[in-house]
Amino acid sequence: QQKVQQSPESLSVPEGGMASLNCTSSDRNFQYFWWYRQHSGEGPKALMSIFSDGDKKEGRFTAHLNKASLHVSLHIRDSQPSDSALYFCAASELNTGNYKYVFGAGTRLKVIA
Amino acid sequence: AQTIHQWPVAEIKAVGSPLSLGCTIKGKSSPNLYWYWQATGGTLQQLFYSITVGQVESVVQLNLSASRPKDDQFILSTEKLLLSHSGFYLCAWSPIWGSGNTLYFGEGSRLIVV
Repeated sequence: QQKVQQSPESLSVPEGGMASLNCTSSDRNFQYFWWYRQHSGEGPKALMSIFSDGDKKEGRFTAHLNKASLHVSLHIRDSQPSDSALYFCAASELNTGNYKYVFGAGTRLKVIA
Repeated sequence: AQTIHQWPVAEIKAVGSPLSLGCTIKGKSSPNLYWYWQATGGTLQQLFYSITVGQVESVVQLNLSASRPKDDQFILSTEKLLLSHSGFYLCAWSPIWGSGNTLYFGEGSRLIVV
């Protein structure tokens, strides 16, 4: 069973709309979370990290973490066609000696102009 | 600013042939280095990581090996390719100290095994 599960698998939103992506971990050792975005043919790029309960906002992107339920979400407001990409949730353990990062299966976002 | 360069950009190789993919990081001293594999449109599977020159840890066994001959260089290789090795190989780095360090990926090397 994958330790980091994402939903939905794919999502279509109109330009200017709100996109909401979800991620749940099944491993309580995971305490650090990231959202990555990957455009076709490119390497993934980190959008934002979130390590504390609550919301974290960076521009049009807002991440929310609930450590009790190990649920992380990403909300993209005013979605643009350039936001169309594969989005990954990634998690790592609370351990300075651990160098393993686990990625979810991804959510494919399509923003329709 | 740190830059990460992967080579080659793409390769088409025959089953049973050898493979060598490389990665160089500039502008960052003694980073942690990582290799990931991605099937087309799929998730990222961590293969190896290295925290210092000459030391590489394997995360999954895929008949691949990795080496870190220099502080800024990470090599992925195999002597005999399998069809299942096809995919997108990504090198990444993170700062060496502390927890919760972000991974920064290169642009990847696409491999097609025929």
